[in-house]
Amino acid sequence: AQSVAQPEDQVNVAEGNPLTVKCTYSVSGNPYLFWYVQYPNRGLQFLLKYITGDNLVKGSYGFEAEFNKSQTSFHLKKPSALVSDSALYFCAVRDMYDKIIFGKGTRLHILP
Amino acid sequence: GAVVSQHPSRVICKSGTSVKIECRSLDFQATTMFWYRQFPKQSLMLMATSNEGSKATYEQGVEKDKFLINHASLTLSTLTVTSAHPEDSSFYICSARELNTEAFFGQGTRLTVV
Repeated sequence: AQSVAQPEDQVNVAEGNPLTVKCTYSVSGNPYLFWYVQYPNRGLQFLLKYITGDNLVKGSYGFEAEFNKSQTSFHLKKPSALVSDSALYFCAVRDMYDKIIFGKGTRLHILP
Repeated sequence: GAVVSQHPSRVICKSGTSVKIECRSLDFQATTMFWYRQFPKQSLMLMATSNEGSKATYEQGVEKDKFLINHASLTLSTLTVTSAHPEDSSFYICSARELNTEAFFGQGTRLTVV
């Protein structure tokens, strides 16, 4: 079965420092991978996706993610964190039945 | 990006009553819509998938007679929680997508059953 794992419940980063939120996946076939962000009591906002092509995917708000097939990873990154980036981040994969399966989420705290 | 509107954002209802939540795609035709439930500090649990004009496909463990899903048009899906109980209190989120695109999410509905 398709699945994603986010090994960190929480990540703390000082403002201005680079940030990484980790995600690994398990899929059969070609992976369709996504990152979403959720602010308190809100729905999810799409950040970026990987379907095919360049391994480095650029998305909204300065975020990017690197697809690594050999490590089955799709880590979310940003060169310089902002306090406003503090939120809950979900990695997701589209499975063979077209459903989107989410990881458990990683809470990102950017410290001023 | 595409806009998905979910209404209401918050609702409080009494035990035993039914509540309807609407999910609309505002600027695209949603061939598929998904309904999720999110418990506090947890991930999204997929409840059901609906395609326009056909019956919804429910995930294992989700009661289809309790959570009625209707996808009557390419821009509207509704979730009705019937005979609501306090344990149905949760955050419900819909998402919608066109064929072969990423899914876009509504802003969620906080349901409180008292």
